[in-house]
Amino acid sequence: QKEVEQDPGPLSVPEGAIVSLNCTYSNSAFQYFMWYRQYSRKGPELLMYTYSSGNKEDGRFTAQVDKSSKYISLFIRDSQPSDSATYLCAIRSLIQGAQKLVFGQGTRLTINP
Amino acid sequence: DAGVTQSPTHLIKTRGQHVTLRCSPISGHKSVSWYQQVLGQGPQFIFQYYEKEERGRGNFPDRFSARQFPNYSSELNVNALLLGDSALYLCASSLKGGTLDTQYFGPGTRLTVL
Repeated sequence: QKEVEQDPGPLSVPEGAIVSLNCTYSNSAFQYFMWYRQYSRKGPELLMYTYSSGNKEDGRFTAQVDKSSKYISLFIRDSQPSDSATYLCAIRSLIQGAQKLVFGQGTRLTINP
Repeated sequence: DAGVTQSPTHLIKTRGQHVTLRCSPISGHKSVSWYQQVLGQGPQFIFQYYEKEERGRGNFPDRFSARQFPNYSSELNVNALLLGDSALYLCASSLKGGTLDTQYFGPGTRLTVL
C-alpha cells in the first residue's frame, strides 16, 4: 500500500467553480500535511500546510485534515484559469533523522474560462 | 532574494553514461534534499544533505550519490544511467532539514536518457 494516494485526474472545471482535491494516507503517525502546486515545467511551490486535524484557510484556498479517516483535502473557491496546474499533496516524514516529503501522484487541474 | 537554482535546465544522455546535476540553495539554508519526479508521478525522496553529510536516503541504488560543498551548494551524481532514470530532478533547500523546516523547491533539471 502506498503511503499517500491521490486521484491523478485529470480534473477539468469551469471558471468560478469550487474545486475539491483529495488524498488518503496510510500511517496514522503523520502529523504535517502539505499541498504543493506545480505549474508545467516548474518545481513544486508550497501552497499551504496544516498540523494535525482541522481546517486552515488562506484566501480562496482551504486545507482540511481528517485524521480519523486519514483523509486530506484542498478546496479552491472561485477558481481561476491561473489555478490550472498539478496539485500535489505531501506528508512530512522522518527518515534517519532527515525530513522527507512523501508525495501523492498529483492531480492535474484545468480551469476553463 | 534568489530562490533555489538548478543547472542545467535539461540534458540528454545515453544509457551507461554518468551525469552531474547542480543545485544552489536559498541564501542562509544549510540543507539540500534531492527528489526524482518521473512523468505523471509525484516527487520521490532520494536523500538529504546537511552540513556536507548525507542524512537520510530513500529507496535508490548506490548509483545515485551526492555531495555538499562548504557554501552549501550540492551536486547530484548518477552513474551507469538507465532508461528509467529519465525524470525531473528536483532540489529542495531548507534551513536545517529538520522536522519543522519548510522545503523550497527549485525548477528542476529534466534528464532524458536514450
